[in-house]
Amino acid sequence: AQKITQTQPGMFVQEKEAVTLDCTYDTSDQSYGLFWYKQPSSGEMIFLIYQGSYDEQNATEGRYSLNFQKARKSANLVISASQLGDSAMYFCSIRYSGNTPLVFGKGTRLSVIA
Amino acid sequence: EADIYQTPRYLVIGTGKKITLECSQTMGHDKMYWYQQDPGMELHLIHYSYGVNSTEKGDLSSESTVSRIRTEHFPLTLESARPSHTSQYLCASRTSGETQYFGPGTRLLVL
Repeated sequence: AQKITQTQPGMFVQEKEAVTLDCTYDTSDQSYGLFWYKQPSSGEMIFLIYQGSYDEQNATEGRYSLNFQKARKSANLVISASQLGDSAMYFCSIRYSGNTPLVFGKGTRLSVIA
Repeated sequence: EADIYQTPRYLVIGTGKKITLECSQTMGHDKMYWYQQDPGMELHLIHYSYGVNSTEKGDLSSESTVSRIRTEHFPLTLESARPSHTSQYLCASRTSGETQYFGPGTRLLVL
């Protein structure tokens, strides 16, 4: 079955440090898209970053970057210079080819410590 | 920024009641989705639509129905609410572009 795996239920990071949240996926498709979302305690899902399977460069958006290793089928999120406001759940998701809906991982809860 | 709205934001209701959760978007997106999520847990797709008069069931059977009569509107109806329906319900939409945007969610408590 095609799926997304986030192996870290919870992570702690010191304020101003960088942190990597792991995500691996399983697919035989050649064309797919990878997404990361942030969900604070208020419950809304906030889009962070996108990586297409054919993109050769790793995606970056401000303090967020995606470490995309296609051969290993991993798409780890790197948050640099962590801030207290980064404390939230983070979900990795994949869209396979065509119009298929996003498939989400179980999420990682990140806690930033002052 | 995405313009996608959900009402009500919070709802407490008794068992057996019929409820409709509203979702509207003003971006002209053709694809819309409903997810169910327990606090701190993964999202489960319950229904989706590719456009007007198109609806599909997702992975989670939640004894709910949806309709898509207008592009901007995708309501979710529970015919008879049960305590097991207590959860957060998230609506989302996108075009053929990649990014899927979410509404703020409806938190439902069934007593």
